[in-house]
Amino acid sequence: QKEVEQNSGPLSVPEGAIASLNCTYSDRGSQSFFWYRQYSGKSPELIMFIYSNGDKEDGRFTAQLNKASQYVSLLIRDSQPSDSATYLCAVKRNTDKLIFGTGTRLQVFP
Amino acid sequence: EAGVTQFPSHSVIEKGQTVTLRCDPISGHDNLYWYRRVMGKEIKFLLHFVKESKQDESGMPNNRFLAERTGGTYSTLKVQPAELEDSGVYFCASSQVSRDNYGYTFGSGTRLTVV
Repeated sequence: QKEVEQNSGPLSVPEGAIASLNCTYSDRGSQSFFWYRQYSGKSPELIMFIYSNGDKEDGRFTAQLNKASQYVSLLIRDSQPSDSATYLCAVKRNTDKLIFGTGTRLQVFP
Repeated sequence: EAGVTQFPSHSVIEKGQTVTLRCDPISGHDNLYWYRRVMGKEIKFLLHFVKESKQDESGMPNNRFLAERTGGTYSTLKVQPAELEDSGVYFCASSQVSRDNYGYTFGSGTRLTVV
């Protein structure tokens, strides 16, 4: 079992819709949770981080964390074609090391 | 502020040769990390420097890989001798402080192909 699991996709949503990206993790000792966006051939770019149960909103992005279910998600409201990218979920335990999932490819079509 | 800089951006070498990758972190960032993505797999941690010291090298795959950070500035990652399975994208990242609830800034990576 991988430590961080993501559906590889692609997840296809129409422009203006809500995109919902999901991630589960296996280690209950995980403390911090991150969402990175990666365009093809580019570096991963941090979008959101969350460490407390509940929702955290930043513009069109909302991260949701449920530690009891070991589940973290990213919602993108009013999806735009420019949001088309691979979204990487990552967790930290009690070290400074990020543990990544394989990523979910999102396609937003006009 | 300049970002994390890596070079070369691409490298194609033959099996058995040596390759050295370089990373220049954001100025003033004491923490420097190396990660690697092999095709079809997730990005995996290799090691973490705090200034010139290796804080965590648990992800280094074997002794063919040698990372250095002279003077706590730029870092190099040398692969000697390179094997086919070393092909992938090598990312460097840096951060100013080490905090559990913060991510860090990645460079654009070096794509290494071993043939």
